Amino acid sequence: GEDVEQSLFLSVREGDSSVINCTYTDSSSTYLYWYKQEPGAGLQLLTYIFSNMDMKQDQRLTVLLNKKDKHLSLRIADTQTGDSAIYFCAETSNSGGYQKVTFGTGTKLQVIP
Amino acid sequence: GAVVSQHPSWVICKSGTSVKIECRSLDFQATTMFWYRQFPKQSLMLMATSNEGSKATYEQGVEKDKFLINHASLTLSTLTVTSAHPEDSSFYICSARSGWNTEAFFGQGTRLTVV
Repeated sequence: GEDVEQSLFLSVREGDSSVINCTYTDSSSTYLYWYKQEPGAGLQLLTYIFSNMDMKQDQRLTVLLNKKDKHLSLRIADTQTGDSAIYFCAETSNSGGYQKVTFGTGTKLQVIP
Repeated sequence: GAVVSQHPSWVICKSGTSVKIECRSLDFQATTMFWYRQFPKQSLMLMATSNEGSKATYEQGVEKDKFLINHASLTLSTLTVTSAHPEDSSFYICSARSGWNTEAFFGQGTRLTVV
């Protein structure tokens, strides 16, 4: 089945860049997403990338996709304390004629002032 | 992006009662809706996938008689937790997409507490 993996924890200093990595197994993935989840809150879609793109930039966020290696990364420039949260990557796949969105385990980002 | 509204945001119910959670796509027609459950400090677990007008497909280990899913229209899906017990307390999130291989949008989630 589909598998999406992330490292569990990342700690950075305020003002530095954060890079959160994600690997996936489904080669038929079409969309890949990054979500942010703050404590007690739902998921906030940060950005998504279509599989035929290599890079997407949106203000402080840069998404890089290496489709050959099935590797997705999210770079947050000038990381702020408000960026502290859990970040989930997710990918869409087709399974048994149905579509799924599969999430990684989440990376907890801790920003140190 | 498209808006998916989930209601209620949080609910407390007594053990043995049933709770209904609504998921609405506000500005697009959702041919497929997904229901997820999130346990504390864990990732989202897909419970079921529903296509408008047909029965939901449940993931292995999810009791379809306990978690009733109805996707009666292109803008509304409901999840009913029947005879809720404290172990059903969790964060439930819905997601919707408009068509094959399109992006998915998520509701804000519902925190269910069964006492």
